[in-house]
Amino acid sequence: GENVEQHPSTLSVQEGDSAVIKCTYSDSASNYFPWYKQELGKGPQLIIDIRSNVGEKKDQRIAVTLNKTAKHFSLHITETQPEDSAVYFCAASWFSGGYNKLIFGAGTRLAVHP
Amino acid sequence: SAVISQKPSRDICQRGTSLTIQCQVDSQVTMMFWYRQQPGQSLTLIATANQGSEATYESGFVIDKFPISRPNLTFSTLTVSNMSPEDSSIYLCTGLAGGHNEQFFGPGTRLTVL
Repeated sequence: GENVEQHPSTLSVQEGDSAVIKCTYSDSASNYFPWYKQELGKGPQLIIDIRSNVGEKKDQRIAVTLNKTAKHFSLHITETQPEDSAVYFCAASWFSGGYNKLIFGAGTRLAVHP
Repeated sequence: SAVISQKPSRDICQRGTSLTIQCQVDSQVTMMFWYRQQPGQSLTLIATANQGSEATYESGFVIDKFPISRPNLTFSTLTVSNMSPEDSSIYLCTGLAGGHNEQFFGPGTRLTVL
């Protein structure tokens, strides 16, 4: 089955710096890679995703890159702000039982200090 | 994006009892997924619920413990049966529309078992 590893588990940056979170996946057939942000006491929020036919995608201060050959993808947050502080989860699709499931990484706790 | 609502938002239950969690989607979805998030952990898929058929459970989860209903294309329930303190978690549902990959989470149900 699919396995997703996420690093680092915690990340602390100063406001205005960039933050990078990396994930690797095991199933070369995976074709969809979303990123979720979870704030304290809330459900995960989809913030950006990328499909396997694209190498990079940007949305304002957030970007995701995908290297299919190496089977890894990364989340980049530029000009970090205190409100970016949250737990971030990567996920990879895994086709099983006739449909795509999502397998999640362990999460990265990002702290942005003013 | 689909909007997911769950009831109850939180509950404190006694061991040995059962709790039924409701999930409502604001649009018709092909599949609904139930996840568990143990304290400080990532998201683990419990089962997939399709209308008109039995739910499909992931390894480690069984129907007797987590019975699921899916009476129509916008609603599902998950019951946590014969609860023990180890069942204390956040339970979340998502919906998946046909032809799409995006899964949107609701706020979740925070369950504490004493």
